[in-house]
Amino acid sequence: LAKTTQPISMDSYEGQEVNITCSHNNIATNDYITWYQQFPSQGPRFIIQGYKTKVTNEVASLFIPADRKSSTLSLPRVSLSDTAVYYCLVGDGNTGGFKTIFGAGTRLFVKA
Amino acid sequence: NAGVTQTPKFQVLKTGQSMTLQCAQDMNHEYMSWYRQDPGMGLRLIHYSVGAGITDQGEVPNGYNVSRSTTEDFPLRLLSAAPSQTSVYFCASSSPYGDEQYFGPGTRLTVT
Repeated sequence: LAKTTQPISMDSYEGQEVNITCSHNNIATNDYITWYQQFPSQGPRFIIQGYKTKVTNEVASLFIPADRKSSTLSLPRVSLSDTAVYYCLVGDGNTGGFKTIFGAGTRLFVKA
Repeated sequence: NAGVTQTPKFQVLKTGQSMTLQCAQDMNHEYMSWYRQDPGMGLRLIHYSVGAGITDQGEVPNGYNVSRSTTEDFPLRLLSAAPSQTSVYFCASSSPYGDEQYFGPGTRLTVT
């Protein structure tokens, strides 16, 4: 299973765009990149998944360069409620995000 | 749909006691998993199941047993609780055709 590296923490202000980068140098050909969000005392919640190039949904965008050795989660115009831990996972996308490794994640603090 | 439910929400055990953490899902998902999360850490996979009657070990299986007699339920048994098992336990389910895991609200376990 591919290991990921993310910044331990980031600070931002309300209304700013936040970009969190994840490094996954040993990603396999059939691996997908998935991001989860976790609030205190809650289970993680799926944000977005991608394989290559760019994926966008109503919550975030995911940018994946051609070599797929890194990815960037982009959160547009964050609010205080986006303060959470964000996890980048790499694993077989055909298994429903199953058997992937959660690292320590990135703690995002959004300030007023 | 209730999604993934876990009981109990909180539990305190004495060293050496045994207990079962319950997990149920009503989404007809084939895959189910148990994770533990220690303070300030990411989630670590304990056991998982790809269908009724089939289970396998994850990253940290020692001290835990699982069984999967139905698609809906995936209980986690602590055989002889130890203080090192103090943690928050999350159950998750997913479809092999989907791109995300759905997590329950967690069980906070303290072993004294």
